[in-house]
Amino acid sequence: AQSVAQPEDQVNVAEGNPLTVKCTYSVSGNPYLFWYVQYPNRGLQFLLKYITGDNLVKGSYGFEAEFNKSQTSFHLKKPSALVSDSALYFCAVRDGSSASKIIFGSGTRLSIRP
Amino acid sequence: DGGITQSPKYLFRKEGQNVTLSCEQNLNHDAMYWYRQDPGQGLRLIYYSQIVNDFQKGDIAEGYSVSREKKESFPLTVTSAQKNPTAFYLCASSIEGAGARGNEQFFGPGTRLTVL
Repeated sequence: AQSVAQPEDQVNVAEGNPLTVKCTYSVSGNPYLFWYVQYPNRGLQFLLKYITGDNLVKGSYGFEAEFNKSQTSFHLKKPSALVSDSALYFCAVRDGSSASKIIFGSGTRLSIRP
Repeated sequence: DGGITQSPKYLFRKEGQNVTLSCEQNLNHDAMYWYRQDPGQGLRLIYYSQIVNDFQKGDIAEGYSVSREKKESFPLTVTSAQKNPTAFYLCASSIEGAGARGNEQFFGPGTRLTVL
């Protein structure tokens, strides 16, 4: 069975500081990993994904994520946070070796204070 | 929100009524999905369809029904059997197939359903 966990319900960061939103996963095969962002009363927007290759993936709005196979993690990072980054972030995983469905984490609310 | 539209944006239902939420996409995607979002619970899959005239139950299909008569459309009906339907409903689509599991999903703007 596959699963994904976002251990923090909320992350608070000061504007200009680096941010990290954590995600760990469990799949039996090769993981396909995704990050999405959701602004209030809107649908999810795709940020970035890891399928294979370089462990550091760069995405939209200056975000990046690092795939760590030994720690089964895919943490989302940004070197310098903006107030406009405040939103709900979802990590998702899919087992790339089977016809399984994508599984979403419970979400982490990121709050950037000025 | 890409090429997926959902309507209406807000919907109010009285007890015992069935209501239908619309989802249309012009991305030529084979697969379409319906999710329910409740605070603190992330997204839960209701139904999905990988091809026209075929669909499968997700994790919380009870009290819901769908149809997939056209590739572009995947309407969701919330029936009176759904005891707690107040939630935010999201439709998504993606390219599907054995070589496309790494493709991301595209989401619509959502419909907020409230039971009066």
